[in-house]
Amino acid sequence: AQSVAQPEDQVNVAEGNPLTVKCTYSVSGNPYLFWYVQYPNRGLQFLLKYITGDNLVKGSYGFEAEFNKSQTSFHLKKPSALVSDSALYFCAVRDGGNAGNMLTFGGGTRLMVKP
Amino acid sequence: DAGITQSPRHKVTETGTPVTLRCHQTENHRYMYWYRQDPGHGLRLIHYSYGVKDTDKGEVSDGYSVSRSKTEDFLLTLESATSSQTSVYFCAISAGLAGSYNEQFFGPGTRLTVL
Repeated sequence: AQSVAQPEDQVNVAEGNPLTVKCTYSVSGNPYLFWYVQYPNRGLQFLLKYITGDNLVKGSYGFEAEFNKSQTSFHLKKPSALVSDSALYFCAVRDGGNAGNMLTFGGGTRLMVKP
Repeated sequence: DAGITQSPRHKVTETGTPVTLRCHQTENHRYMYWYRQDPGHGLRLIHYSYGVKDTDKGEVSDGYSVSRSKTEDFLLTLESATSSQTSVYFCAISAGLAGSYNEQFFGPGTRLTVL
């Protein structure tokens, strides 16, 4: 079985400050990890993924995520937040041995960036 | 939204009536998925398809059926809608063979209200 936890329902950060959105996962095999963003009344947009290789993954809009195998975490980060980053963020995991490319999503974290 | 359309975008129906939601893609991707999004639950997989006429159940499949007669179309049917099926429904697509790590791309969503 595979699962994802996003421990914070909401993260508040001031514009220009660094931001972190937390994600921890559980899989039996090798994890494939993804971050998505959802703006109001829109579908989810892909931000970045970790499959293998470098633990620091860079993605769209200046976001990056750090894979930590020992802590089973995949936190999303950005050095300097923008008001336009305010949205709902989802972490997702797939067990590498899982046929069908099925993802399990976390419950989502709302990011609020204040001017 | 990556060549994915969903119809209708909004629907209000009454308990006990059948409802069919349509997902159409122009990407010729093999995998198609139906999710529902509810507050506090993130996205939960209802059914998915790995080819024409090849479908399988997801996490929350009770009360739903699907069909895929063409690569580009994936239909979700609520045989007899209930108020618990009020939700936002998202279709997603993904390329690649089983065991691949391709990200999923999401449609714009259908907001369904069952009165």
